[in-house]
Amino acid sequence: KQEVTQIPAALSVPEGENLVLNCSFTDSAIYNLQWFRQDPGKGLTSLLLIQSSQREQTSGRLNASLDKSSGRSTLYIAASQPGDSATYLCAVRGTDKLIFGTGTRLQVFP
Amino acid sequence: DGGITQSPKYLFRKEGQNVTLSCEQNLNHDAMYWYRQDPGQGLRLIYYSQIVNDFQKGDIAEGYSVSREKKESFPLTVTSAQKNPTAFYLCASRGRESNSPLHFGNGTRLTVT
Repeated sequence: KQEVTQIPAALSVPEGENLVLNCSFTDSAIYNLQWFRQDPGKGLTSLLLIQSSQREQTSGRLNASLDKSSGRSTLYIAASQPGDSATYLCAVRGTDKLIFGTGTRLQVFP
Repeated sequence: DGGITQSPKYLFRKEGQNVTLSCEQNLNHDAMYWYRQDPGQGLRLIYYSQIVNDFQKGDIAEGYSVSREKKESFPLTVTSAQKNPTAFYLCASRGRESNSPLHFGNGTRLTVT
């Protein structure tokens, strides 16, 4: 059974820092991995989707990498800003279901 | 604008009452999903539907029911059999291609007292 883990559970950094969020999964037979952002009381916003054949995807200050063989993905946020404060979730897709991690709650302070 | 609309945003019900949460999408997506989110836990899949008039149970389907009579709509009913219904409910949809991203609505927070 696929299990997805995100470490750390919470992170607090000063504005301007580059940071890395981690996502690990136990079954490497995945179709893709998706990173989401969730603001308090809101739904999830898709940030990046990495297909199983890809190694990384970039969007603006965000870069996500995927290493299927080791069951790991990282989300790199460059030059963090207070507006980046949110919970970040990763999800891996097997047959037709996405399995979610519990998220990393990020706070970026001025 | 295309998207997923969940209504209402907040819902309050007395214990023992059934309640239906609405989810409508205008993205022309075939697949739709219902998730439940509780504090400190990942999203858990309740039901999903890959095509009209067909749906499958997810990991925590007990006490819930769904219908998929139209492509755009996937309502979720929380029945009185659901033992702990208070939660944040999220609806999502995805296109047919295997690597289509999942899109979410803004959720409905259900409180049962």
